[in-house]
Amino acid sequence: DAGVIQSPRHEVTEMGQEVTLRCKPISGHNSLFWYRQTMMRGLELLIYFNNNVPIDDSGMPEDRFSAKMPNASFSTLKIQPSEPRDSAVYFCASTPTGVNTGELFFGEGSRLTVL
Amino acid sequence: QKEVEQNSGPLSVPEGAIASLNCTYSDRGSQSFFWYRQYSGKSPELIMSIYSNGDKEDGRFTAQLNKASQYVSLLIRDSQPSDSATYLCAVKASNYQLIWGAGTKLIIKP
Repeated sequence: DAGVIQSPRHEVTEMGQEVTLRCKPISGHNSLFWYRQTMMRGLELLIYFNNNVPIDDSGMPEDRFSAKMPNASFSTLKIQPSEPRDSAVYFCASTPTGVNTGELFFGEGSRLTVL
Repeated sequence: QKEVEQNSGPLSVPEGAIASLNCTYSDRGSQSFFWYRQYSGKSPELIMSIYSNGDKEDGRFTAQLNKASQYVSLLIRDSQPSDSATYLCAVKASNYQLIWGAGTKLIIKP
């Protein structure tokens, strides 16, 4: 079975540019999470979707960040405009309905560098 | 503020010995506890989950939970160099919210 698929794996961009990160969850998984990981702050939950509906976006740092899940097999995280402090690894994770939502399957991550 | 605390390490253990990783949490109402392993440059991978007091064994791994003392630990028996990684403790504080520790870096020396 294919795992959680994220793209791009690496993104280098300049401050002020728009960044779009993409995620395909595992088929049949109804819960999707976007996380950000940095050395300073560790893993931070940005947003949580259940059945394509955003349940909690309180972790989204500011209005520059937005996330969508138009269908069960695709989600995007957009940063516009990007800033150097957004540099981090962004992970998407999914879990099936009925399974304890602490048992997450992570994608390989998207490493973002904003110059 | 709900917190999960881990010693950042690095914890250095000789090959073949037992590695002991510890985690404490602040929310007494927490019910579910998880250990994830993260290799350098890779994503976190679930290795153990534990939901009730006591020990849970899976191969060389044993998770221990003590809710009264609010700690959870992970023991790795017969440590191998391939066990060298950062181990993240996560505690479920609500229906979906995981509270993550900062991780303990484990180094297994051949």
